Amino acid sequence: DTGVSQDPRHKITKRGQNVTFRCDPISEHNRLYWYRQTLGQGPEFLTYFQNEAQLEKSRLLSDRFSAERPKGSFSTLEIQRTEQGDSAMYLCASSELAGGLQETQYFGPGTRLLVL
Amino acid sequence: AQKVTQAQTEISVVEKEDVTLDCVYETRDTTYYLFWYKQPPSGELVFLIRRNSFDEQNEISGRYSWNFQKSTSSFNFTITASQVVDSAVYFCALRYSGAGSYQLTFGKGTKLSVIP
Repeated sequence: DTGVSQDPRHKITKRGQNVTFRCDPISEHNRLYWYRQTLGQGPEFLTYFQNEAQLEKSRLLSDRFSAERPKGSFSTLEIQRTEQGDSAMYLCASSELAGGLQETQYFGPGTRLLVL
Repeated sequence: AQKVTQAQTEISVVEKEDVTLDCVYETRDTTYYLFWYKQPPSGELVFLIRRNSFDEQNEISGRYSWNFQKSTSSFNFTITASQVVDSAVYFCALRYSGAGSYQLTFGKGTKLSVIP
């Protein structure tokens, strides 16, 4: 069983450019999450999908951020007009649709973004 | 508000020493889950354990053990006979049953260095 994969692993961009990251969850995992982790901090929740529906968005997800999961499988996270403050590790996680709170989120290796 | 505090920013131990990583959480919910994840230098968060709020039994898995005490809102993690491969950042996380119940709230992590 393959784990969560993310592409690219590293991205360097200039301020003002748009970037897009991809996440492929563990197969048959219904739920998919995006988190952002800055240096020396724990991951912070950005958004969550159940199948193709985006059910929850953090206030951290400004208008420049958009996430999609068009067919309930892979997901993309796009950042428009990047700013230096967007530099971070972007982590994707997936989980099975288990009852209640019993689910466990499994994380991918992350995409490290550097905005110059 | 939900909060996870890991007061130890960095810990260094000599190989074969035991080490305990502290985690204190805050939540108003009576039903919640606590997690520990390990983040090695490669960056991928590795799931270690999940514990629900109704199960205060301590758990042991090999060299790892966890002590959950609701009375002090703590969920501490002990590594016995530490090894160099244990060097990583360890995160404690909380998931609660209120609004936004699927996101994990992480502490800032404790960086463990095991010196040979």
